[in-house]
Amino acid sequence: AQSVTQLGSHVSVSEGALVLLRCNYSSSVPPYLFWYVQYPNQGLQLLLKYTTGATLVKGINGFEAEFKKSETSFHLTKPSAHMSDAAEYFCAVSDYAGGTSYGKLTFGQGTILTVHP
Amino acid sequence: GAVVSQHPSWVICKSGTSVKIECRSLDFQATTMFWYRQFPKQSLMLMATSNEGSKATYEQGVEKDKFLINHASLTLSTLTVTSAHPEDSSFYICSARRTGGVYNQPQHFGDGTRLSIL
Repeated sequence: AQSVTQLGSHVSVSEGALVLLRCNYSSSVPPYLFWYVQYPNQGLQLLLKYTTGATLVKGINGFEAEFKKSETSFHLTKPSAHMSDAAEYFCAVSDYAGGTSYGKLTFGQGTILTVHP
Repeated sequence: GAVVSQHPSWVICKSGTSVKIECRSLDFQATTMFWYRQFPKQSLMLMATSNEGSKATYEQGVEKDKFLINHASLTLSTLTVTSAHPEDSSFYICSARRTGGVYNQPQHFGDGTRLSIL
């Protein structure tokens, strides 16, 4: 079984400040990890993903995340927040156990990012 | 690329009505699509996995006779909420993964359907 824990349901930063959204996962197999962003009344947009290889992953809109196996973490960062970054962010882990799993995603509870001018 | 269209965006209907939601992958083929439900201020809950040409796989606790899923082609899956009641009101989101992709391929999401049952 897999699980995702996002530490902090709400994060507030000033425009231009560092953004850090925390995600820890539990998985019995090497994980595939994803970060998605959701704007109000919309679906989810993929920010970035980690599968194999380089542990520092760069995504869209200046976001990046680092996979740390020893810490079972996949925190999302952005050096300088922009007002348009205000949204809800979801970390997810993929089940790829094979058979009939079909790569289901398990989501964290989400973190709402507020950016102050 | 990888655009998923979901229709309608909003539905308001009377209790007892059946509602059909469509999920289309516009620029890729998707053997597997997923249907989620999201309650206000909560995360996404997987309802079922839809596979082209076969029966959907439902998550525990999801009534398959209540939420009918049809995945008749590689670009279209539909979710029908039968005899909808106020407790079925929610935000429904679909996603699709490219055919032939392995599990590290991301799911691409539609914009969701806001369903309100009066």
